[in-house]
Amino acid sequence: QVQLQESGPGLVKPSETLSLTCSVSGGFINDYYWNWIRQPPGKGLEWIGYAYYSGSTKYNPSLESRVTISIDTSKTQFSLRLSSVTAADTALYYCARRRRIAAPSPAGDAFDIWGQGTRVTVSS
Amino acid sequence: AIQMTQSPSSLSASVGDRVTITCRASQDIRHDLGWYQQKPGIAPKLLIYAASTLQSGVPSRFSGSGSGTDFTLTISSLQPEDFATYYCVQDYNYPLTFGGGTEVEIK
Repeated sequence: QVQLQESGPGLVKPSETLSLTCSVSGGFINDYYWNWIRQPPGKGLEWIGYAYYSGSTKYNPSLESRVTISIDTSKTQFSLRLSSVTAADTALYYCARRRRIAAPSPAGDAFDIWGQGTRVTVSS
Repeated sequence: AIQMTQSPSSLSASVGDRVTITCRASQDIRHDLGWYQQKPGIAPKLLIYAASTLQSGVPSRFSGSGSGTDFTLTISSLQPEDFATYYCVQDYNYPLTFGGGTEVEIK
């Protein structure tokens, strides 16, 4: 059974870079899209971006200038880097697997596995 | 980016009630919509994808419908474990965007 686990500092200073890692266990990292999603305190969900197993990436334009998602297939993990953070980046950060689900049909894409989330606070 | 508007933002209901949550997209997204359930302190859980396909293991009291811009999540008979916040998300194009959420509370 595939499981995801986020790790990284819980406190980051303003203007610094937030770095998180998501470890994938119990399955392969190939053929899936590996995503980061965040949730500010008391608010809704925001998609940050993904890295495909091939290394290709796509980011939310609202964060694109500051975000990098990379994947290490040999270590079965992927990472998030968010630069120049401010208090607005304080959130619960989730990693999640996205895939095409063929059955039951009709097929569709979805985030089928999530990590438990890691809380990051931006404060001096 | 496609805007997803959920309504209501919260509702109070009793066990056994039929509950309906709506999600409206700012443009046509065909059937490219999912529904997720989130309980406090826990990661979201996939309920429905492709607007109406029930994820394996999800109780049949949950159903989804709609296409184009208007979508609905229905819980046919609310159970105690269903009190949670529900989110829709469009996957028609990037950036993927979520609705603001609907909190289902106990009446």
